[in-house]
This record gives sequence, structure tokens and C-alpha cells, in this order.
Amino acid sequence: DVKVTQSSRYLVKRTGEKVFLECVQDMDHENMFWYRQDPGLGLRLIYFSYDVKMKEKGDIPEGYSVSREKKERFSLILESASTNQTSMYLCASSLGQLVGHTFGSGTRLTVV
Amino acid sequence: AQKITQTQPGMFVQEKEAVTLDCTYDTSDPSYGLFWYKQPSSGEMIFLIYQGSYDQQNATEGRYSLNFQKARKSANLVISASQLGDSAMYFCAMREGHNRGSTLGRLYFGRGTQLTVWP
Repeated sequence: DVKVTQSSRYLVKRTGEKVFLECVQDMDHENMFWYRQDPGLGLRLIYFSYDVKMKEKGDIPEGYSVSREKKERFSLILESASTNQTSMYLCASSLGQLVGHTFGSGTRLTVV
Repeated sequence: AQKITQTQPGMFVQEKEAVTLDCTYDTSDPSYGLFWYKQPSSGEMIFLIYQGSYDQQNATEGRYSLNFQKARKSANLVISASQLGDSAMYFCAMREGHNRGSTLGRLYFGRGTQLTVWP
């Protein structure tokens, strides 16, 4: 069964900390995505990547960066965590442009 | 402007009844795809059904069907014979076009509808 794995289910970090959210897929998918989900706002795209070492900004990239050194791994980095980054973070991957996403189970991040 | 609009923050339905979750979309691209996902309280996103803009027939998957009205730009999800396990958040999403440069398969999501099925 195809899988997208997010390394942590729950995280609690302090304001100002550098935070890494890791995502790994085992499906050899080209495209990987990071979304943020907040109540009443749905899912909003932070960053995505269509190839190794390639990245594109989504709708809300401010305060985030990403890294894709290997095809199967896509990391989301919060350089200096702030309380307004408390949210659910969802990683997803897809094989091509015309198909939907396969999602990970999400990381619920709390910044205190 | 919102590309996907879900106007029902919450919906209630009795077990065994049918329910329709509304979704309207906005795009000028002639080629697009529409998706519905289910998110239970556990948090994972589960793909339910897909409709392509050129598909002649409405998509169906078991108890799920998509009422696709292209001229009205609506893609409502119909769940027949609701079950208690259908209680979840439901998201409508859209991807646009072929070879759209950097958009490359990204999805636009609505704000979701929380469905509650009661016995």
C-alpha cells in the first residue's frame, strides 16, 4: 500500500526554535506538497516541489522554507517558530499533474 | 477570489438518509479536475471521488456520487444511505489544467463541511 509518512504526530515547540517537519513517501512520486490546515480556513498550500532540489512557493510561504535533497523526502522548516504557526501540517505527494494527492496523517504543531 | 467555495460549515443527517454537500468552483481553465476528500477526527485525508472536466457522466464510487453541473460550476457530493462512520470533515478540491507551469498538480481546497450523522 502506498504511503506518505510524517515523522511526528504531535509536536510542542517553543517560540523562536527552529523546527523541522519531515515527510517521506515510498511511491516514487515526483510532486510533494506541504499544506497547513486551520479551522474554518481549509487547507492552504505552503510550498511544493516537483523534483529533487526544486521548490515553489505556495499561497502562504512566509515564515517557512523547505528542503528536498532526495526524491522521497520533503522537509518543512520553520526558521524561528512563532505562536501563529500553531496548526495542523499535512504533507502530500502525487505522481503527475492530473491526479490527486496521497496524504500523510498530519503533524499537529503547537508553538508555546 | 476563492477558487473553491463550500457554503455549509456544518450539516446534520440521520442515519440511512441521503445528504448533499455543496461545492462551487471558479476557474477559466477548460481542463480541470474536482476531488472530494474525507477527514475523520483522526486527521488523515481520505480520497473519495474524482470528476474530470471532460467527463461526460457523473462520477460514482459506491455510496458516493458527484453531481457535476458544469454550466453552474458546481460539484456537489451526494452520500446515499448515510452511516455513523460518515461523520467527518469533507473537503472539495480542484486542480487546474495540463502543463500549467509551476502549478504542477497543486490542489485548491475549500474550507470544508463538518458532517454529523445521528442515529
